[in-house]
Amino acid sequence: KQEVTQIPAALSVPEGENLVLNCSFTDSAIYNLQWFRQDPGKGLTSLLLIQSSQREQTSGRLNASLDKSSGRSTLYIAASQPGDSATYLCAVKRGTALIFGKGTTLSVSS
Amino acid sequence: GAGVSQTPSNKVTEKGKYVELRCDPISGHTALYWYRQSLGQGPEFLIYFQGTGAADDSGLPNDRFFAVRPEGSVSTLKIQRTERGDSAVYLCASSLTGTGVEQFFGPGTRLTVL
Repeated sequence: KQEVTQIPAALSVPEGENLVLNCSFTDSAIYNLQWFRQDPGKGLTSLLLIQSSQREQTSGRLNASLDKSSGRSTLYIAASQPGDSATYLCAVKRGTALIFGKGTTLSVSS
Repeated sequence: GAGVSQTPSNKVTEKGKYVELRCDPISGHTALYWYRQSLGQGPEFLIYFQGTGAADDSGLPNDRFFAVRPEGSVSTLKIQRTERGDSAVYLCASSLTGTGVEQFFGPGTRLTVL
């Protein structure tokens, strides 16, 4: 059974810091991995999608990497801003459904 | 274009009642998914539609839960005899096809069963 773990569960940083969020999964047979952002009381916003054949994807200040063989992905956020404060979820796709981790709640202070 | 929409945004009901939650996917997306998110948890898969048919309903917790997508667009999640444990945010997502592509989520319906 696929399990997805995100570490840390919560993270507080001052504005301007670069930071890394971690995601690990137990079964490397995945189609893709997707990173989402969730603001309190809101739905999920897709940030980056990495196909199983890819190693990384970049969008603005965000960079996500995928090491399928070791079952790991990282989300790197450069020059963090207070507006980045949210919960970040990773999810892997195997078969039809996305399997989610519990998320990392990020707080960026000004 | 418009994203995934869900109605209502909030639903409060009493234990034992029947509820319907609606999802309107992105136009042209053939795949539609329902997930349920409890407080402090990631979303959990409920059911997947490809077109009009439920291709995978393995995530439905029991036979009180049922979903339809009669015309291959709008979907309705139906919960009979609601229980307090059904309280959660119900999220709908759609994607262009069923495999290997990005899923786009709606804002969710927060269901509270008193």
